[in-house]
Amino acid sequence: QVQLVESGGGVVQPGRSLRLSCSASGFTFSSYGVHWVRQTPGKGLEWVAGISYDGGERYYEDSVKGRFTISRDNSKNTLFLQMNTLSIEDTAVYHCAKDQVDLTWGLDYWGQGTLVTVSS
Amino acid sequence: SYELTQPPSVSVPPGQTVSITCSGDKLGEKYVSWYQHKPGQSPVLVIYQHNKRPSGIPERLSGSFSGNTATLTISVTQAIDEADYYCQAWDSRTAQYVFGTGTKVTVL
Repeated sequence: QVQLVESGGGVVQPGRSLRLSCSASGFTFSSYGVHWVRQTPGKGLEWVAGISYDGGERYYEDSVKGRFTISRDNSKNTLFLQMNTLSIEDTAVYHCAKDQVDLTWGLDYWGQGTLVTVSS
Repeated sequence: SYELTQPPSVSVPPGQTVSITCSGDKLGEKYVSWYQHKPGQSPVLVIYQHNKRPSGIPERLSGSFSGNTATLTISVTQAIDEADYYCQAWDSRTAQYVFGTGTKVTVL
């Protein structure tokens, strides 16, 4: 069955960096776009970044542009999110999720998420 | 940036019907998905492309669209439907996914 498992979260000081990973299994990873979506109690769900099936196209939410970098390694069925210059507002549970088919078909599978806490 | 607006909360007695709206500028030019999100769980896709249900989603959940407003309707509401619901669309102009503000459904 389809599984997405995030890792790499933790507690980090403002201004520091963190790298999240998402290990995929149960489907042909290299055929699907994948995304990072974060969840905060006060702001609900917020899309963070996405990447096309082959990594040729990358998309970012405005507040993370220039700070976060999404990438993928199709040979290892793994999605990454490099997060630099973290701020308190980046504190959230980060989920990875896959396109059902393309960008108009929604996200059909989600991981359980990894918690990122930015605090001094 | 593009915005999708939902009512913060709705309440419904068991067995009744509840509708959640999602509005945005020129939303009719985009495809809308809906997600159900329960505390401690991952979001679940319940509607895509306005009115299509993924396999395993009960027919009690349905989607519709008119003008610039998408609507998720839950018929014969049950306690298990109590959750936060989010609409979502891809904005091709900004190349960004956008989630709605979210609606908390309470089954009284």
